[in-house]
Amino acid sequence: DGGITQSPKYLFRKEGQNVTLSCEQNLNHDAMYWYRQDPGQGLRLIYYSQIVNDFQKGDIAEGYSVSREKKESFPLTVTSAQKNPTAFYLCASSIWKTRKSYNEQFFGPGTRLTVL
Amino acid sequence: DQQVKQNSPSLSVQEGRISILNCDYTNSMFDYFLWYKKYPAEGPTFLISISSIKDKNEDGRFTVFLNKSAKHLSLHIVPSQPGDSAVYFCAASANSGGSNYKLTFGKGTLLTVNP
Repeated sequence: DGGITQSPKYLFRKEGQNVTLSCEQNLNHDAMYWYRQDPGQGLRLIYYSQIVNDFQKGDIAEGYSVSREKKESFPLTVTSAQKNPTAFYLCASSIWKTRKSYNEQFFGPGTRLTVL
Repeated sequence: DQQVKQNSPSLSVQEGRISILNCDYTNSMFDYFLWYKKYPAEGPTFLISISSIKDKNEDGRFTVFLNKSAKHLSLHIVPSQPGDSAVYFCAASANSGGSNYKLTFGKGTLLTVNP
């Protein structure tokens, strides 16, 4: 049964600590994405990766870092430099199409991070 | 500047009636539009999409209409069911260099379907 898993569902950290959010997919998708959702807001793109060992900044990358060592995994680190880290974080994946086409993104269940 | 706007934060309808959720966009480069449904504390689920070469796409109870000249799209749910109660996000994508990756989301509309 294919899908995207994010763990843990709820995460608490003290201010000033780095924290890494997990995202795994078994859909054989090339592209993976990280979004952040704040109350009353849409989803904002943090980072995305088209292929292994490559990733690009999204709209709000400051204070975050990612890695893509395996096709299935795209962990996100929220560093102490992120000024407002408390949010709901969503990971997504899609097929990466190189010709004119469109990508439907599939989302994981999300991780709610609370920084105390 | 918000490129995708959902001006109604919430909508309440009676079970069995039609729900109409609206979305406006400003970027004329957008050529693909999607609707996602989201329950609290869960990830969004893809619902329906439409390419800019079409003006209507239908899937069961869900129909999306696109008016390119007005830069407006709408999602119609008929008949509405209590299980449709969720936040609905409109998203748009612009083909970039032959590939298409970035989705720009609206802020969402909370739909409540009353029994």
